[in-house]
Amino acid sequence: QKEVEQNSGPLSVPEGAIASLNCTYSDRVSQSFFWYRQYSGKSPELIMSIYSNGDKEDGRFTAQLNKASQYVSLLIRDSQPSDSATYLCAVNRKGTSYDKVIFGPGTSLSVIP
Amino acid sequence: GAVVSQHPSWVICKSGTSVKIECRSLDFQATTMFWYRQFPKQSLMLMATSNEGSKATYEQGVEKDKFLINHASLTLSTLTVTSAHPEDSSFYICSARGLAGGSSYNEQFFGPGTRLTVL
Repeated sequence: QKEVEQNSGPLSVPEGAIASLNCTYSDRVSQSFFWYRQYSGKSPELIMSIYSNGDKEDGRFTAQLNKASQYVSLLIRDSQPSDSATYLCAVNRKGTSYDKVIFGPGTSLSVIP
Repeated sequence: GAVVSQHPSWVICKSGTSVKIECRSLDFQATTMFWYRQFPKQSLMLMATSNEGSKATYEQGVEKDKFLINHASLTLSTLTVTSAHPEDSSFYICSARGLAGGSSYNEQFFGPGTRLTVL
């Protein structure tokens, strides 16, 4: 089982709709969770971070975390064509001898005008 | 805030030469820097993690003698690809995590990446 899993997509939604991106992780001790957006040929940029169970909203973006289910999601409301990109889920694990962020393979989102 | 720069943004070199890539945190102290490699249409692959003043920790399968990492200061890390070959052609991206204004960042901030082409 991969440490961080995402549907590769592509996920296509019409402009103005809600895009829902999902991510599951395997290690229960994971503590911090992040969503990054990556446009083609560019490096990732941070959208959201979430650390505790529940929802966290920032503008059109809402991150949801359920540690019991080892599940984190990102909702994008009022999707715009400029939201078309690959969305990377990332999970931070810390231990006595390690501290690393594991990225999922990414979900490609296409917002259709 | 939390700006990370990389230089060069792209480089073309001949097989067998070495290439150095610089990663700088411009407005915060990067206690930890990460180096990733990304091949076309694939996800990020973590190559190594470096903490300021100590040796880098390499991921399994990454040759530490080929990919030399130095994190000499809280704002600068370098990756040197030694004796580069065409299969090393890739998009190399650094990220940094650290301190700013007395608070620690848990998030990583990415540089713009360096596209390496080895002929």
